[in-house]
Amino acid sequence: DIQMTQSPSSLSASVGDRVTITCQASQDISNYLNWYQQKPGKAPKLLIYDASNLETGVPSRFSGSGSGTDFTFTISSLQPEDIATYYCQQYDNLPPLFGPGTKVDIK
Amino acid sequence: EVQLVESGGGLVQPGRSLRLSCAASGFTFDDYAMHWVRQAPGKGLEWVSGISWNSGSIGYADSVKGRFTISRDNAKNSLYLQMNSLRAEDTALYYCAKDVYSSGWRFDYWGQGTLVTVSS
Repeated sequence: DIQMTQSPSSLSASVGDRVTITCQASQDISNYLNWYQQKPGKAPKLLIYDASNLETGVPSRFSGSGSGTDFTFTISSLQPEDIATYYCQQYDNLPPLFGPGTKVDIK
Repeated sequence: EVQLVESGGGLVQPGRSLRLSCAASGFTFDDYAMHWVRQAPGKGLEWVSGISWNSGSIGYADSVKGRFTISRDNAKNSLYLQMNSLRAEDTALYYCAKDVYSSGWRFDYWGQGTLVTVSS
């Protein structure tokens, strides 16, 4: 079975900082990877699909890259409203599988 | 505006059953696949089950296969999850999620969830 890992599991950064989260798949998943944001007490929200495509309406400070087994999610300038847990999700191999999440907060 | 409203959660004893519902509005329901995703308290997201637009393709996580049944009624714009033989590890917030496609794996809208607690 495919495994998904994310690092770090949590991070603390200052407003305006560049934040990078990595997601690794245990096998090649091409670009079949999505990124979601879940704010405390809220439902997840789709941010990035197919590894690098920004969902409509999502601020351009969010971006994604990668293919194969290694993927990166970046917030170019962290804002207070970006406090959340971020999950990657693969769908190359079924069932779809979420990564364990990365919790982001403000330093 | 897309709206997904889950209902049917509650406290249930181990081994008993529960049926979750999701009422959809604001989009053409029978054009899209739908899914259930759950989140145990303080834990991450787990896909539970999905159903294509016409119910022709259905999938389950191994953890619920044989115990849970997903279904939809396109005439009522509703999604369902029949949960039998419930276990303590099924305790979670259950989200209904809309797919981007008629049969796919990208979840673009989510409900607010309904809480299922399995305990004696």
